[in-house]
Amino acid sequence: GESVGLHLPTLSVQEGDNSIINCAYSNSASDYFIWYKQESGKGPQFIIDIRSNMDKRQGQRVTVLLNKTVKHLSLQIAATQPGDSAVYFCAEIVSGGYNKLIFGAGTRLAVHP
Amino acid sequence: NAGVTQTPKFQVLKTGQSMTLQCAQDMNHNSMYWYRQDPGMGLRLIYYSASEGTTDKGEVPNGYNVSRLNKREFSLRLESAAPSQTSVYFCASNSYEQYFGPGTRLTVT
Repeated sequence: GESVGLHLPTLSVQEGDNSIINCAYSNSASDYFIWYKQESGKGPQFIIDIRSNMDKRQGQRVTVLLNKTVKHLSLQIAATQPGDSAVYFCAEIVSGGYNKLIFGAGTRLAVHP
Repeated sequence: NAGVTQTPKFQVLKTGQSMTLQCAQDMNHNSMYWYRQDPGMGLRLIYYSASEGTTDKGEVPNGYNVSRLNKREFSLRLESAAPSQTSVYFCASNSYEQYFGPGTRLTVT
């Protein structure tokens, strides 16, 4: 079946450290993956995406890695800041018919000063 | 450019009451979506509209109806609210990189 899940429900890091949030997916036909950030009381906000024909993509302080062999996705945040505290979701897009986003349950990132 | 807006922000209903959640986007997107988010879970798709004039069921459509009023607006209706529909509802637009509204917190007692 289709599923997108996360290994750790909560991740605590010190300010300035690097954070790594992991995600496993099960549908090898997915061709697009997105990471979203959701702050308390707000809607999810797009962070970064990656297509299935790539294995790495970098943004500002964030890097997404895709390992299709083991169906694993990760989000790396460099020099984590208090403003990075939020819930992070990975989402998988299964093309066909409509662009169906399948969301994982989310990982809460807590940044401590 | 307001992005995706939703009304109301909060709502409390009694079991059996009806209500409509409103959503509008000003980005000229064809696709619009309604999700619900329950504690400890990711977002689940209720209904979507790939373009003006079309709507289709998502993962959890039971108890809901939708209307794509025009390209900008996509409403979600609960005809007879149940406690199981207590949730946070998000509207989104666009196709791949979906833009989300701020959400409506609905409590059904």
